[in-house]
Amino acid sequence: GAGVSQSPSNKVTEKGKDVELRCDPISGHTALYWYRQSLGQGLEFLIYFQGNSAPDKSGLPSDRFSAERTGGSVSTLTIQRTQQEDSAVYLCASSLAFSLSYEQYFGPGTRLTVT
Amino acid sequence: KQEVTQIPAALSVPEGENLVLNCSFTDSAIYNLQWFRQDPGKGLTSLLLIQSSQREQTSGRLNASLDKSSGRSTLYIAASQPGDSATYLCAVRLTSGGYQKVTFGIGTKLQVIP
Repeated sequence: GAGVSQSPSNKVTEKGKDVELRCDPISGHTALYWYRQSLGQGLEFLIYFQGNSAPDKSGLPSDRFSAERTGGSVSTLTIQRTQQEDSAVYLCASSLAFSLSYEQYFGPGTRLTVT
Repeated sequence: KQEVTQIPAALSVPEGENLVLNCSFTDSAIYNLQWFRQDPGKGLTSLLLIQSSQREQTSGRLNASLDKSSGRSTLYIAASQPGDSATYLCAVRLTSGGYQKVTFGIGTKLQVIP
């Protein structure tokens, strides 16, 4: 079956512009996770959704970052007024349910470059 | 705050060799630990998931062990092949303050030389 998909695969934007990154989880997966992977750094956990709800937003780097999920499926991560330090690969993962027992399946990522 | 360390950062071995990758974590109250591989420019592929109540998991040439009390996990790769070349990441999951948290190590970059 289809895996997790993300779009765009690459995004180059000018500093100060807003960007939207999209994640399509595996069909039927209720839990969705966003991560950021900066050059030379480990994956940074940003936010997760249980259905359409994101109970913990404390992992978002700043208030310029927001995420939403509608219909228990597609999620968008929005970065407003982008800065050069936002340049990274943004990865999305989904799992069958919110329980910690379930494996996460990752998408290919969106490479964001802020010039 | 949970910290995950992976040693070595990079490893180069000849084809056919058995090898061990290490992962250590500071907070032993984890729920599970998952090993992934990441190929250049691609997302993560799950290899093995070990629940906190388990001591090891095996899949083909891969064997992962977990010693929760000492905060360590190892990934053993038998008879390595060039196709095993990738970055290997470990991730621990736990709950903190009622919320789910996931912490990744930076990874071990493996090169298997034909």
